[in-house]
This record gives sequence, structure tokens and C-alpha cells, in this order.
Amino acid sequence: SQTIHQWPATLVQPVGSPLSLECTVEGTSNPNLYWYRQAAGRGLQLLFYSVGIGQISSEVPQNLSASRPQDRQFILSSKKLLLSDSGFYLCAWSFRVGSEQYFGPGTRLTVT
Amino acid sequence: TQLLEQSPQFLSIQEGENLTVYCNSSSVFSSLQWYRQEPGEGPVLLVTVVTGGEVKKLKRLTFQFGDARKDSSLHITAAQPGDTGLYLCAAALDGSNYQLIWGAGTKLIIKP
Repeated sequence: SQTIHQWPATLVQPVGSPLSLECTVEGTSNPNLYWYRQAAGRGLQLLFYSVGIGQISSEVPQNLSASRPQDRQFILSSKKLLLSDSGFYLCAWSFRVGSEQYFGPGTRLTVT
Repeated sequence: TQLLEQSPQFLSIQEGENLTVYCNSSSVFSSLQWYRQEPGEGPVLLVTVVTGGEVKKLKRLTFQFGDARKDSSLHITAAQPGDTGLYLCAAALDGSNYQLIWGAGTKLIIKP
């Protein structure tokens, strides 16, 4: 069976510091991978998705970037965090575009 | 831009009551998914509906896909405190290149 790991679970970072959130998937090959951000009690905002190694699509202009160095690894990064980057970040995977998505446990990021 | 509207945005009811939440659009979808998310966790897939008029049941939860595949409803019978959470719908357009479209969610609180 497939599992998805995401870490860290919580993170408090000062404004201007770098960020690296990591997500890995086990038990499947060539998954579609996604990074979402979620405001408290609200829906999901798609930030990036990837259909293969080195292939990244950005949905919204922002202070963040994503990379996929390995088939089942997806990384969300920032060189300098802003206060507005605070939120709940979710990684997800799917078998194909438009199919069901399976989410990691999320990272709560607070930028101070 | 396609829009998937969920209603109500917020619902607070007593244990034992019935409720229905809705997910509506003017677009036709090839499939629609419902997820439940508990605070501090990632969304979890509940069901996928793919055929117009389809009804699926998951214990006390009944999901229906509209005949025209533009809308869906989730009905909960005899709600329990364990049903509390954020309910999200997500839909897929026909074709292989479209990402899921997400609703903003219905926040449901069941009071004991």
C-alpha cells in the first residue's frame, strides 16, 4: 500500500529565513505530486504540481518554489520567508491528473 | 475560470439531526470527490462519484451526483460528534490535462 510522509509537522521561522519542507511517497512509482496551502478553516490553494522528475508547474506567483529531485520526493522551498507565508502546507499525490488525491499530515508554518 | 461552490460554508447542529451540504457548478465534470478533513490533519477521501444520478452510501453518509454531472450533495443521517470536520468537494473536468477544482469547504460542527 502507498504511504505519504511530510515533515516537519510544525515550524516557526523568522521573517527573511529560508524554508525547506519535504514530502516523500512510498509504494508507488511516478506519482503526480502536489503542494497546497490552506488558510484556517478554508479550502485548498494549489501552489505547485509535478507529473514527473524535474517537471514543476506553478499555479500562483509567490515567494515559494518547488523541486522534485527524485521520483517520489517533492520539496517546497523559499529563500526568504514573508509573514504572509504562514499557513498549513499539505503535500498530496495521485495516480494521474484529475484522479483522487491522497494527502500527507501537513506542516503548520508560522512566520514571526 | 471554473468555480465549485459549496454551501453552507458553516453548519452547527445537535447530535442526532440530519443535514445536507451541497457542491454546485455550471461546469460538467467527469467525476467528483468528497473529502473530510479534521483539524491539523490532511483531507481524507470519502467517495468518488462518476455517473450522473449516481448515489453512494458510506454508513450514515449518502452522496449523490447530479444527473447533469454539475453538482453533488452529501447527506448525513443522525449526525454524531465524530462527523465534525471540514467537508471538501473536488471535481475533475473531462480530459487528461486538468487539475482538480476544489470547493472552499463546509465546516461542520456536531454538538453532543
